[in-house]
Amino acid sequence: EIVLTQSPGTLSLSPGERATLSCRASQKVSTYYVAWYQKKPGQAPRLVIYDGSKRATGIPDRFSGSGSGTDFTLTISRLEPEDFAVYYCQQYGVSPRTFGQGTKVEV
Amino acid sequence: QLQLQESGPGLVRPSETLSLTCTVSGGSVSSSTYYWGWIRQSPGKGLEWIGCIYNTGSTNYNPSLDSRVTISVDMSKNQFSLTLRSVTAADTAVYYCARRASSQLSPFDYWSQGTLVTVSS
Repeated sequence: EIVLTQSPGTLSLSPGERATLSCRASQKVSTYYVAWYQKKPGQAPRLVIYDGSKRATGIPDRFSGSGSGTDFTLTISRLEPEDFAVYYCQQYGVSPRTFGQGTKVEV
Repeated sequence: QLQLQESGPGLVRPSETLSLTCTVSGGSVSSSTYYWGWIRQSPGKGLEWIGCIYNTGSTNYNPSLDSRVTISVDMSKNQFSLTLRSVTAADTAVYYCARRASSQLSPFDYWSQGTLVTVSS
């Protein structure tokens, strides 16, 4: 199975700063089959980015996804207070679908 | 607005069977447009896809759990269920139910809040 390794484990930033989250795959993944999810305590995970770079419904344009091959990135251009959460990457191009272990974005 | 809600015991004894049900509101499990799935997260670990089911009853499972898992659908109740047999402490996790488009390759676009299931005697 494809192992996804996210880095860093924790990202300590302030509102207004730029967040860059990395997701590295153990083998090549099609860019079109990479997603990012946001998870806050007590809430359901929320789809943020799918197909590598498409924003899900209701996701503001400060969120962007990029990458190819084995390296993928989620960028939050200017952090808002509601963006502080844990973010998970997922590949759904190869079965079994796998997730990264998460990056916590904290104040 | 689609909502997914899990139900089931929060404590299961080792070697027994874990059973969870996901009730769907604001949508239909009989829809040909979606698959319905289960994902879990063990304490301190990442998310793990368990499997999915289509309205025809067609399923696909994570090979790591294939021998112990069954996912079924009950269209009359608009629910789908997870059964995991012969559980151990390693099956202690928060279990989520979720939806994805029936395109072969699609992410999960709606998730439940998750329910903690502890395996302990």
